[in-house]
Amino acid sequence: GQSLEQPSEVTAVEGAIVQINCTYQTSGFYGLSWYQQHDGGAPTFLSYNALDGLEETGRFSSFLSRSDSYGYLLLQELQMKDSASYFCAVPSNFGNEKLTFGTGTRLTIIP
Amino acid sequence: NAGVTQTPKFRVLKTGQSMTLLCAQDMNHEYMYWYRQDPGMGLRLIHYSVGEGTTAKGEVPDGYNVSRLKKQNFLLGLESAAPSQTSVYFCASSARRWTTYNEQFFGPGTRLTVL
Repeated sequence: GQSLEQPSEVTAVEGAIVQINCTYQTSGFYGLSWYQQHDGGAPTFLSYNALDGLEETGRFSSFLSRSDSYGYLLLQELQMKDSASYFCAVPSNFGNEKLTFGTGTRLTIIP
Repeated sequence: NAGVTQTPKFRVLKTGQSMTLLCAQDMNHEYMYWYRQDPGMGLRLIHYSVGEGTTAKGEVPDGYNVSRLKKQNFLLGLESAAPSQTSVYFCASSARRWTTYNEQFFGPGTRLTVL
């Protein structure tokens, strides 16, 4: 089976940097992905890591350490619009037929 | 290009009633999924399909049935609704590529309440 753990809530200040962690247990590992979901909205894809290290996409970066079964999402220059829930997810195989999602981290940005 | 659409957006059912949720995608994606989302529990996979005419069970399939008669449509049925099926239902689709990650594209969701 697959299981993922994330903090349930994180609060950060506008303009600052925040890190959202995810640890996973999987029977096979095929990468770690991140999705963002605003209240009342649909999840949208943010990033994917197949190999160890940092992937950067604008203000968002995602990191993976396969040896530690751990990854994180880093958000820089926080804006109020970044207030949302963030989910890590792992694919079931190389074909990405299925994703198992974590329970999500609700990020609140304060002025 | 509408992406993934879901019908209806909201629905209230009485216990024991049946209904069908419709999902449509115009991206020619092979894979389609139905999830439910409950507070504090993230997204849980109900059923999925890897191609037209195929379906498979996900993590929480009991009480639901699905059909994929056309590639672009994926239907989720509740034969006898129960209050435990009160949830937000999301449909998603993704391409089938073996060399890169297949991001999932989500519909706007259906908010279902069973009384």
